[in-house]
This record gives sequence, C-alpha cells and structure tokens, in this order.
Amino acid sequence: GENVEQHPSTLSVQEGDSAVIKCTYSDSASNYFPWYKQELGKRPQLIIDIRSNVGEKKDQRIAVTLNKTAKHFSLHITETQPEDSAVYFCALGGKLIFGQGTELSVKP
Amino acid sequence: DAGITQSPRHKVTETGTPVTLRCHQTENHRYMYWYRQDPGHGLRLIHYSYGVKDTDKGEVSDGYSVSRSKTEDFLLTLESATSSQTSVYFCAISVPGSYGYTFGSGTRLTVV
Repeated sequence: GENVEQHPSTLSVQEGDSAVIKCTYSDSASNYFPWYKQELGKRPQLIIDIRSNVGEKKDQRIAVTLNKTAKHFSLHITETQPEDSAVYFCALGGKLIFGQGTELSVKP
Repeated sequence: DAGITQSPRHKVTETGTPVTLRCHQTENHRYMYWYRQDPGHGLRLIHYSYGVKDTDKGEVSDGYSVSRSKTEDFLLTLESATSSQTSVYFCAISVPGSYGYTFGSGTRLTVV
C-alpha cells in the first residue's frame, strides 16, 4: 500500500531563515500531494498542495516542489516567523495517507 | 467553523466500555473520514465513508466500527475501549475533485 516517510521529525531555525521538510513515498500512482499545518491544540489545516502535473507551486513564503521520478516532495518556508512554529504534515493520495509530522520551531 | 463539528470534545472512559464519537457536517459533502492522531505516528485513517451506508476500512480499523445513516452524521464506535485507543480523534470531510480535507476540532479520548 501507500507509504510516506517525512524528515526531519524536528526542525529548529532562527527567525528569518528558511526551513525545508521532505517527504518520500513509494506508490508511483500518487498524484496529489498536500501539506497541512497544525498548531498546538488545533486541527490540521491545509496550507498548500500540488498535483502531479506540475513540479513547483508557490504561495507567498511557502512553496512545494515535487520530483515524481525520485518520488519525493518538499515544503519550503522562507523568511520564517515565530508564528510558523507548528507541526507540519505531508500527505498523499485521494484517501489521504499522512507522514509522521515535523515539529518546526522558529526562534526569535 | 467550516461546517464540521465533533462531539464530545473530551471524554474519559473505562476499559471495556463502549464509546461513540460523533461527527456532524452541514456542507452536504459525500466523503467523510475518521483519523486518530498519536505522537510519532501522524494521522492514521481508521474508517471512511463515501455516502450514506457506504463505508470502508482504513489502515487502523481493528477495534472500531462506523455508521452513516444520513449524509450529515458519521459515527465512530469503540465497541470495547482499550487503553491503546487513548488518542485524539479527528473527523474530516472532503469535496470530490478538490481533494483538500477540512478537519473537525478533534475529540480527546482517554481510556483508563
């Protein structure tokens, strides 16, 4: 079945630096790759997604890149701010399978 | 928020007792999902539904059953709760074609 591995599990950066989270997957049939942000005690919320027919998508300070040949996709956050601190989950498929999560800490 | 509510928000129950969690949506969406969230495991799919009386198992369905007798309600039942089912449970809805999920606020269940 589908499987997705997410790294790193924790990430600490200084405010203003960039953060990158990577996910690798095994099912070559996957064609939808979303990223969710979950703040402490809150529900996960969709922040950006990409379909398999494009290689990159940007929305202000966040971007997602997809390499279908290598079966990995990454979340890029530039100019990080303290409010970016949260747990980030990648996922794939129509019936979403989630990665294990990355706890991002942005230090002022 | 987003037309999806879960109840109860918190529950403590004893081992061996039955528990039912409710997910209610006002969006008339066809697809509904139940996930559990545990540290180090992310969100794992328990069961999902693609219409009234149409349900299927996810990756961690053992010990859980679901029912969907009307579009707006999706119930998750633990027939005989165990300590390993202590978790945060999230319901989600999706719109066909968009793939994006909207999650409920979650139910924190503790089995003692």
